[in-house]
Amino acid sequence: DADVTQTPRNRITKTGKRIMLECSQTKGHDRMYWYRQDPGLGLQLIYYSFDVKDINKGEISDGYSVSRQAQAKFSLSLESAIPNQTALYFCATSDSYGGPNTGELFFGEGSRLTVL
Amino acid sequence: GENVEQHPSTLSVQEGDSAVIKCTYSDSASNYFPWYKQELGKRPQLIIDIRSNVGEKKDQRIAVTLNKTAKHFSLHITETQPEDSAVYFCAASKGTYKYIFGTGTRLKVLA
Repeated sequence: DADVTQTPRNRITKTGKRIMLECSQTKGHDRMYWYRQDPGLGLQLIYYSFDVKDINKGEISDGYSVSRQAQAKFSLSLESAIPNQTALYFCATSDSYGGPNTGELFFGEGSRLTVL
Repeated sequence: GENVEQHPSTLSVQEGDSAVIKCTYSDSASNYFPWYKQELGKRPQLIIDIRSNVGEKKDQRIAVTLNKTAKHFSLHITETQPEDSAVYFCAASKGTYKYIFGTGTRLKVLA
C-alpha cells in the first residue's frame, strides 16, 4: 500500500543538538508538508514544498529548516534543538493532479521529539 | 494573518446523541474546508470536506455545513458511536495546498 513513512518515530535529544526528521512517500504525490502538533494548539504548518525546487515557509518556520532531496523525500532539521521544540511532528503529502482526492492530506505516523 | 478558530475544545455526548463542532475562518478567500479525525495515537485522516460553491455535504452520519457570509463551517455527527471518540480538526485553505488548522475538538462518546 502506498504510504508516508517517517523516521525516527521517537527521539530524545539534548538542548543544542542537531536533529533531522525524515519523510519518504510512495504515493507519487508532488506536495509535501511538515506539521507540528502540540496539545491544545492543533496542527501548525512549519514548511511546505510543491516540488523539489519549491520550498515555502509556513506559520512557525523559525528554528527549523527543510530539504526536498527528491520528489519522494522531505526532511526537517532542527539545527540547535531547544526544549520548546518538544512536540509531535507530522509529515504529510498531497497531490495537485486534479483527481477526486486532490487536496487531501495524507499523514505519516508522526515523529515524537523530546528535547531535554 | 490567517486564522481558524474551533469550538468547543472538548465535547462529551451520550451514545446515540448528535455532536456539533464549529469553526470560523478569517480569510474570506478560503475556498476549501476539510475535516480530519485523529484517533488516539494515530495519524489524522480526512473524513469529509466541502468546497465554497456548496452549502452542505453529507456522508452517512457525518455532515458539514458552510456559511460563507459568516465565514463559518460546522461538522455534524448524528447517532454517535463509541468509535467516533477522537480529536477532530477543521481546516481552511485557498485552493487545495496550504491549510490552516483549528486547534482541535476532543470528542468523547459515552456508552
